[in-house]
Amino acid sequence: AQSVTQPDIHITVSEGASLELRCNYSYGATPYLFWYVQSPGQGLQLLLKYFSGDTLVQGIKGFEAEFKRSQSSFNLRKPSVHWSDAAEYFCAVGEGNNDMRFGAGTRLTVKP
Amino acid sequence: EPEVTQTPSHQVTQMGQEVILRCVPISNHLYFYWYRQILGQKVEFLVSFYNNEISEKSEIFDDQFSVERPDGSNFTLKIRSTKLEDSAMYFCASQGLVGSYNEQFFGPGTRLTVL
Repeated sequence: AQSVTQPDIHITVSEGASLELRCNYSYGATPYLFWYVQSPGQGLQLLLKYFSGDTLVQGIKGFEAEFKRSQSSFNLRKPSVHWSDAAEYFCAVGEGNNDMRFGAGTRLTVKP
Repeated sequence: EPEVTQTPSHQVTQMGQEVILRCVPISNHLYFYWYRQILGQKVEFLVSFYNNEISEKSEIFDDQFSVERPDGSNFTLKIRSTKLEDSAMYFCASQGLVGSYNEQFFGPGTRLTVL
């Protein structure tokens, strides 16, 4: 069965520092992979997605993620974090038209 | 840009009451989903719907839940007799054909509070 693990429940970084949020998945085939961001009380906003091709994908707001099949990972990165990036980040895996499975989320706090 | 809409944004109800959460998916999409997120927890799949029938449901989606596409535009989730533990954010999502890369587009959510 599909599963997604986000090992870090909470991460704190200083504004301007680099960021990496980890995501590992368990899936038999090549999955479709997504990162979503959720601000408090808000809905889910898609940051980026991977379906095939180039394993480094660019998303909105300066985020990128790299699919590493050998490590079953799809880590999210940003070179320089802004205070407005403080939010909850969810990694998700999907297959075809089936349901998406979400990780537990990583809460990002940005220190001034 | 087309988007998924949901109404109401916030629903407060008494335990035991029936609630209907409404969603308008993107107009040319064919697959529809409901997810829920209990406060502080992850997003969980409830049900998927295609060709006017449920295609998959989770263990959460018991007999108290039902879904319907009453017309060509709306997609509803009904909870027959709400329980306190049904309090959550409910997200609707829709998806086009396989050629649309299987991305599900999410609505802004309905926050359900059961008192």
